[in-house]
Amino acid sequence: AQTVTQSQPEMSVQEAETVTLSCTYDTSESNYYLFWYKQPPSRQMILVIRQEAYKQQNATENRFSVNFQKAAKSFSLKISDSQLGDTAMYFCAFMYYNAGNMLTFGGGTRLMVKP
Amino acid sequence: GAVVSQHPSWVICKSGTSVKIECRSLDFQATTMFWYRQFPKQSLMLMATSNEGSKATYEQGVEKDKFLINHASLTLSTLTVTSAHPEDSSFYICSATQGGTEAFFGQGTRLTVV
Repeated sequence: AQTVTQSQPEMSVQEAETVTLSCTYDTSESNYYLFWYKQPPSRQMILVIRQEAYKQQNATENRFSVNFQKAAKSFSLKISDSQLGDTAMYFCAFMYYNAGNMLTFGGGTRLMVKP
Repeated sequence: GAVVSQHPSWVICKSGTSVKIECRSLDFQATTMFWYRQFPKQSLMLMATSNEGSKATYEQGVEKDKFLINHASLTLSTLTVTSAHPEDSSFYICSATQGGTEAFFGQGTRLTVV
């Protein structure tokens, strides 16, 4: 079974600065998807960014980008120009290709953006 | 994006009673719905997967008779916590998919059993 590990339980960053959240995973499969979800204090899960494993190009969504290293099984999230609204729990998640959309989540990283 | 509505947002019930939580996909047909449980400051733990018209598939360690899941239509799944006890107090989240790679989440239900 796959596992997803987030080694940073908590992080903080000053507003307008850049922060990187780490995620590693373990799988023997070659086709899969990786995600970063944000869970703000409201606890609504919000998709931040998605990466297909077959794509070498790193995904980017505005201020959010990933560094996907398939061989190293690493999938980090970079948040540029951090904003107060970025304060939230961030979960890295894994989904097998053609596996019924079932997600496996990492333990989460609590990010605090300080003014 | 697609909208998933979960109801109620919070509920308090007495020990020994049953509580039903609804998860509705408002603008799409959900082929699969998932139920998660989240303890404070922890990650989401998958409880079960449900497909419309068939029995739910429960994860190891999840009591089927305690957590009854029904997926009667392509837009509605329900989770019933039967004979609830204080240790069942938690945050329950549903998600729904329509076959693509994106899962759409409900806003969650905070259950408190007193």
